[in-house]
Order: sequence, then structure tokens, then C-alpha cells
Amino acid sequence: EAQVTQNPRYLITVTGKKLTVTCSQNMNHEYMSWYRQDPGLGLRQIYYSMNVEVTDKGDVPEGYKVSRKEKRNFPLILESPSPNQTSLYFCASRPGGAGELFFGEGSRLTVL
Amino acid sequence: AQKITQTQPGMFVQEKEAVTLDCTYDTSDQSYGLFWYKQPSSGEMIFLIYQGSYDEQNATEGRYSLNFQKARKSANLVISASQLGDSAMYFCAMRGGIQGAQKLVFGQGTRLTINP
Repeated sequence: EAQVTQNPRYLITVTGKKLTVTCSQNMNHEYMSWYRQDPGLGLRQIYYSMNVEVTDKGDVPEGYKVSRKEKRNFPLILESPSPNQTSLYFCASRPGGAGELFFGEGSRLTVL
Repeated sequence: AQKITQTQPGMFVQEKEAVTLDCTYDTSDQSYGLFWYKQPSSGEMIFLIYQGSYDEQNATEGRYSLNFQKARKSANLVISASQLGDSAMYFCAMRGGIQGAQKLVFGQGTRLTINP
């Protein structure tokens, strides 16, 4: 089954404790991206990657890091999480040219 | 900069009625794409329909249609014969031309509730 898989789906952590949200897709898509969803703000792009070893900032990159060492994986790293990073996070992918984004199921993160 | 505006935070509709969810957009690009996604209470994002800026016909997918009015910069989603399972959050999104091609810009969303 074609899918984007995120882990963990739910996480409660404390300020400053490094964490990684993994994302993996099995559709051989070149493009991958991370979004965060907050009430009243819709979804906002954090980072995106056009292909392996090619990443760039989105609209809200502060406090996040990403890497793209393999085509299928695009982890999101919070080096020192803060409460304002409490949010619902989505990983998404699509073929290189165009078309709709395929979203993972979301990861709900709470930072205390 | 590209912007999507959804002016209806919430809508309540009787089952089997048609419903229109409003979406206006702002862009200076000539080539762009418009998308609608559905987010049920379980949280996943489900792609519904796509309209390209050069498409002459309004897009349709089953009970979903997109009322695309380019001059007014609007891309309203029409759901015909609404069902209880249509209750969800709906997001309008846009992907722009060359500069904006690498992201979807989302609106704030409209929460649709279908009453039996």
C-alpha cells in the first residue's frame, strides 16, 4: 500500500529534550516536506526537500532541522523543543513534477 | 506573496443538502494550482480535488466540484447531497508558479458539520 508513515504519532516531552519525528514514504517520491498545523493558522511549511541531500527552509523553520540522506526518509529534528512547538506535524510527499501532496497521518507533539 | 482566505470558520448543513465552502486566493503568478483537502476528526489529510489555473473546465470528482472563478480569484468547493461522513475540517490550498512551486499555502480551514 502506498503510504507516508510518521512516528511517533503522539508524544509528550519536556522543554529541551531533543527529539526526532521520522517520516518514510514507499512511493519513490522525489519531493518531501514537513508542515505544522495550529488552530486558526492552517498548515504552514517547515522544511522541504527536492531530492536526496537537497533541503530548504519553508515558512517556519526556526527550531527545526531536517536531513535527507535517503530518498524514502525525511526526519524532522527538534534539537531543543520549546512549548511553542506544541503542534500537529505532518510529513508529505509527491512526485518531483507536480500533483497533490500525499500526507502522513500526523504526529501530535506536546512540549511541557 | 501567496495567500488563501477561508472566511467561514464553521458551517452547519442539513444532511442531503448541497454545501459550498468558500475560498479566495491571492497570487501574482499566472500558473498555479488549487487544491482542497478534507481532515476528519481522526486527523489525516485527504486530497479531494485539484484545479489548474489554465483549466477551462471546473474540476469534478464524484460529489465534489470546484467552482473556479479566475477573475474573482475564488475556488469554492461544492459538495452535493451531503452525508454525515462529510463532517470534517476542509482546507483550501494553493501551489504557485516558479517561486511558490515548492509549497502548498493553506487557508485557515472551515469546519463543516452535517446534521441528520
